[in-house]
Amino acid sequence: KAGVTQTPRYLIKTRGQQVTLSCSPISGHRSVSWYQQTPGQGLQFLFEYFSETQRNKGNFPGRFSGRQFSNSRSEMNVSTLELGDSALYLCASSLGASNSYNSPLHFGNGTRLTVT
Amino acid sequence: AQTVTQSQPEMSVQEAETVTLSCTYDTSESDYYLFWYKQPPSRQMILVIRQEAYKQQNATENRFSVNFQKAAKSFSLKISDSQLGDAAMYFCAYRSAHVNTGNQFYFGTGTSLTVIP
Repeated sequence: KAGVTQTPRYLIKTRGQQVTLSCSPISGHRSVSWYQQTPGQGLQFLFEYFSETQRNKGNFPGRFSGRQFSNSRSEMNVSTLELGDSALYLCASSLGASNSYNSPLHFGNGTRLTVT
Repeated sequence: AQTVTQSQPEMSVQEAETVTLSCTYDTSESDYYLFWYKQPPSRQMILVIRQEAYKQQNATENRFSVNFQKAAKSFSLKISDSQLGDAAMYFCAYRSAHVNTGNQFYFGTGTSLTVIP
């Protein structure tokens, strides 16, 4: 089975621009979560999608948004980029159904976003 | 919200020796799941081991084992016979078992493990 695929791997943007990151989950996984990873802060939860619906949202401003398509692929969008948005953005998929809550997250390689 | 604390930002171990990474968590829930993930320089987070809170027996996966102390809310990872490939950042994670919490995981800030040849 193919793993979680994130594109692109690296991205350099300028303040004020917007960016879209993409994530393709493992086949059969319906839950896709996004995390922001920065040095010293660890992984901060952005949001989770399950069957095209946002099920959970972390404490991030509205500039961060996402969506999930019918094939479970997900995109994350950040508008009006700020220098502080520079981070590694990780996508993770899992089965996600309530009867599989012990199933772990499977992560992609991440997208390294640099805002200048 | 649940919090996960890893109090050791950095650890080192001699090759072939044993090392223990600490993790504590704060929750009012009685049913949950705990995980250890490893993130090597390649960036991909890899599951090392998981533990269900309702199980008293500590989980074991080859050279990796945990010491789960539910009353103390402690979940440490022991790596035996350390190998150079074990060098990585290790993250402890918590996940509620409640059906209405979605699939949100809470992560600690990580422990960077160095393996000395």
